[in-house]
Amino acid sequence: KQEVTQIPAALSVPEGENLVLNCSFTDSAIYNLQWFRQDPGKGLTSLLLIQSSQREQTSGRLNASLDKSSGRSTLYIAASQPGDSATYLCAVRGWGQNFVFGPGTRLSVLP
Amino acid sequence: DAGVTQSPTHLIKTRGQQVTLRCSPKSGHDTVSWYQQALGQGPQFIFQYYEEEERQRGNFPDRFSGHQFPNYSSELNVNALLLGDSALYLCASSIQGFGELFFGEGSRLTVL
Repeated sequence: KQEVTQIPAALSVPEGENLVLNCSFTDSAIYNLQWFRQDPGKGLTSLLLIQSSQREQTSGRLNASLDKSSGRSTLYIAASQPGDSATYLCAVRGWGQNFVFGPGTRLSVLP
Repeated sequence: DAGVTQSPTHLIKTRGQQVTLRCSPKSGHDTVSWYQQALGQGPQFIFQYYEEEERQRGNFPDRFSGHQFPNYSSELNVNALLLGDSALYLCASSIQGFGELFFGEGSRLTVL
């Protein structure tokens, strides 16, 4: 059974800092991995999707990497802004399976 | 391009009642998945519908049932509501269940 963990559970940084969010999964036989952000009381917004054959994906200030052998993915946010404050969730999909979500990292970017 | 839409956004029910939540997928998507998200936790998979059939199911009791219509929209039904069913119910759509997942804003259910 796939299990997904995210460290840290919460993070507070000053505006402008570069930061890394971590996602770990127990079963490396994955189909793809997706990162989301969630604002309080809202739905999930897709940030990046990484296929199992890819090592990384980039979108603007965001870069996500995938290391299947070690069961890890990282989300790098460059030059953080107060508008980046949200909960960030990673989700892992196995072959023929549905996404399994981590508990999320709650990010606060202070002005 | 319309995204995933869900209704209602909020609702309050009492224990033992039944509830129906609705979802319209993103344009061009044919697969709908439903998730339950308790406060402070990640979403938990309930089930997935493709071609009007339930294709996969998570660890949820039979009180949770669903339906997909020919236009790909979907309903989630929960019978005999319990206090523990209070949560944000999220609908997500994708293409044939393999591609990128897109979520709606959710339906907040409170059971009193």
